[in-house]
This record gives sequence, C-alpha cells and structure tokens, in this order.
Amino acid sequence: GAVVSQHPSRVICKSGTSVKIECRSLDFQATTMFWYRQFPKQSLMLMATSNEGSKATYEQGVEKDKFLINHASLTLSTLTVTSAHPEDSSFYICSAHRAATEAFFGQGTRLTVV
Amino acid sequence: KQEVTQIPAALSVPEGENLVLNCSFTDSAIYNLQWFRQDPGKGLTSLLLIQSSQREQTSGRLNASLDKSSGRSTLYIAASQPGDSATYLCAVITNTGFQKLVFGTGTRLLVSP
Repeated sequence: GAVVSQHPSRVICKSGTSVKIECRSLDFQATTMFWYRQFPKQSLMLMATSNEGSKATYEQGVEKDKFLINHASLTLSTLTVTSAHPEDSSFYICSAHRAATEAFFGQGTRLTVV
Repeated sequence: KQEVTQIPAALSVPEGENLVLNCSFTDSAIYNLQWFRQDPGKGLTSLLLIQSSQREQTSGRLNASLDKSSGRSTLYIAASQPGDSATYLCAVITNTGFQKLVFGTGTRLLVSP
C-alpha cells in the first residue's frame, strides 16, 4: 500500500520553543494533506487542510498562528507548533489521499511539552 | 453536518470468534467509506475502502459492507486472533467534503488467547 511517513515519532520540547513535524507521501503526489490531533482514547480531530502551493485551511477553533502549516511540494507538508505550551502536548497525525480517494496516514508524532 | 457513530464502543471476545463492528452515518451523500485500525500510540492503518457505488469489499479475514441508503456499514472479522486487538475506526468522505474524513468514535477490540 501507499506510504505516508511522519517524522519525528516522538519529541519532547521545552515550553516556549517551536517544534516542526514533517509529513511525506513516499510513493504518490499529494496536492492535499491533512493534519489531525488526537487526545487519549478519543477519535481524531481535524486541525487543518494543507494545500500544495497555497495557504492552509484551518478548522474552526484552531489557531493558525500557533499551528503553522507549509506545503511546499507535492510530497511534503510540515506542521510547526510555535511557542509550545504543555496544553499543546498531544498526538499529531497527518494523512494524504492517493488519487483523491483512499486516505493513508503517517505513524503519528507524540509531542510532550515540559 | 455529517455525524458518524460506531457501536459497540468496546468489545472483548475470545480468540476464534467471528465478530461484527458497526458504523452509522447521518448523511447518506457520501463519496466513500474507509475502515482503519489503530494500535496504541500509532498512526492509522487503512483496512478497506468502499466507494459509494460499491456494496462490499473483502481483504483476507475482513469483509466490509456498505448500505448507503440506510447510512450503515459493517466490518466483519472472521476467526479473530489476538493480533486483531486494536481500535477500529470508520470514516466517510461526503460528496461536498473536499476529501475531508469524518471519523466515527471507534470500537476498541480485545481478542483474548
């Protein structure tokens, strides 16, 4: 199956610093990627839609200045959590759709802000 | 607004049993429906994708059906194994959803040896 690679899988950072998470589609081009956040024992919450070559579209309630998204190529989208605080600690997952249909997900990134 | 519900929320069975996971959605105007499994602390693994024009898909011991008009899908797992233990999520893309997946609440499955 298609592969979406997400890096890093785990990151611990100090409060006030920024963290960048990468999401790559390894064997197909993705004009659109998605970023999700997942709280313990809950389903995925869509944060934003990443569009190649244009601005991301954020879901209601998601701070665009806190969660910066860049989709500079057809295979790479990045999510930067700026000025991270402990409440930003969570599991972040990206996805890409092959041929605009089947969705494939990255391995997820466990962010811990101390 | 599309809402997706999964029943049961949790399920515990002995190894070897056949089982059915249920997914229901409120808006039948879907583009497709996809079943995923998620292991603790991991991302999602795609299991089966059913296009809106299809009624079912099969992969190994897994069979997923879709009844779009009634807003239901089922995932059938035959001869369950301890390795099937995971959370199973269904998700739909609506016709006007711009590829956005709307996820169900998930079913946590535990298969005991």
